[in-house]
Amino acid sequence: DAGVTQSPTHLIKTRGQQVTLRCSPKSGHDTVSWYQQALGQGPQFIFQYYEEEERQRGNFPDRFSGHQFPNYSSELNVNALLLGDSALYLCASSLTTSPVAGELFFGEGSRLTVL
Amino acid sequence: AQRVTQPEKLLSVFKGAPVELKCNYSYSGSPELFWYVQYSRQRLQLLLRHISRESIKGFTADLNKGETSFHLKKPFAQEEDSAMYYCALIRNAGNMLTFGGGTRLMVKP
Repeated sequence: DAGVTQSPTHLIKTRGQQVTLRCSPKSGHDTVSWYQQALGQGPQFIFQYYEEEERQRGNFPDRFSGHQFPNYSSELNVNALLLGDSALYLCASSLTTSPVAGELFFGEGSRLTVL
Repeated sequence: AQRVTQPEKLLSVFKGAPVELKCNYSYSGSPELFWYVQYSRQRLQLLLRHISRESIKGFTADLNKGETSFHLKKPFAQEEDSAMYYCALIRNAGNMLTFGGGTRLMVKP
């Protein structure tokens, strides 16, 4: 099991463009969460997907949207990119019925640079 | 609103010295708290949960509701403990974590 995989690992965009990041969860996991980690800061919760629906959302504008597919993989889309969107975007998977609450399995992240 | 504060960005100790990484939180409900760790060139991973009251790699953390703290402690630091440590709080149900800003622990030989 490769664990949580994310693509691409690095990408560079310009202001105003749109970006799509992808995530495949750990085998057997049904829930995907996305976090934004700015340089020198802790991860910030963007949103979580379960059963192909957004279950919870953090304090992020509507420019941030997502999707979950029937195979549990997920995408994060960011429209109208701003310089401040430059960050490491982390995907984390978990199993909703897991007895270990709070145990998320993280990917290595996609580093987005907005110029 | 919930908030997690780690007051130290960097903590540097010598091998064999005791370590305490501080974490304070604010939360209106009954919190569930965690420590996550990221070793060099590795992924962020769960270290320990307060609810399990376990010791992992010699680390322990006690939830102090009176002081709203969840400090991570180890009596004798090892060089392999050098890493980024994040304190986190579960927000409602559903594994939505609120993270602190992190503390980088450096254990010198």
